[in-house]
Amino acid sequence: QSALTQPASVSGSPGQSITISCTGTSSDVGSYLGGYSYVSWYQQHPGKAPKLIIFGVSNRPSGVSDRFSGSKSGNTAFLTISGLQTEDEADYYCFSYRSSSTFEIFGGGTKLTVL
Amino acid sequence: QVQLQESGPGLVRPSQTLSLTCTVSGDSVNSGRYYWSWIRQHPGQGLEWIGYIFYSGNTYYNPSLTSRFTISLDTSRNQFSLHLNSVTAADTAVYYCARIGARADQSLALRGTFDIWGQGTKVTVSS
Repeated sequence: QSALTQPASVSGSPGQSITISCTGTSSDVGSYLGGYSYVSWYQQHPGKAPKLIIFGVSNRPSGVSDRFSGSKSGNTAFLTISGLQTEDEADYYCFSYRSSSTFEIFGGGTKLTVL
Repeated sequence: QVQLQESGPGLVRPSQTLSLTCTVSGDSVNSGRYYWSWIRQHPGQGLEWIGYIFYSGNTYYNPSLTSRFTISLDTSRNQFSLHLNSVTAADTAVYYCARIGARADQSLALRGTFDIWGQGTKVTVSS
């Protein structure tokens, strides 16, 4: 059961915008259960636990900056971070439910460097 | 405020059994609204879902991983545990506990999402 596919690394300068992709299949990223898509994104700083930043493809939990946004097209989900700040430098993981095998699956992770 | 806290040995000898406990505060493992999960992260690697347990005692495991994992629930202590037998160096990792909302609960905004995580506990398997 392979992980969802993410680029290993992306980079950007402060103030710029970047987008991280997360590609899966019609059984996970591209699937809907009861009309809902269970794609979420997590931010992880070195030595820290992951933190939820996007759920249900495009929703932000309370307290998460509106510079973070999510979207989906077909079997690929996207995380966009606008107005990059140095504190955004972290690893980012997408996550989905794989309906074909009752299986929770993470992306391989993307390291964001803010130059 | 819901908090999860892992505890367990930082060092385990090869072939022994690793046992980790996650203590939940601010919520009840009996609520029936969440699955109580374990996730691990090998050094320098990504996140890997190990499995989770529901208040009913039903367990679900990552089919890609070894069957050496067992997750159990202690409702009297509001804890859940992970047991991994016959450990090897390949089991060296940071282990996180987390809760994930039940997808069947339509009233749960964060259903199907790991919304609360423990801080993680580093486990090294070495003689």
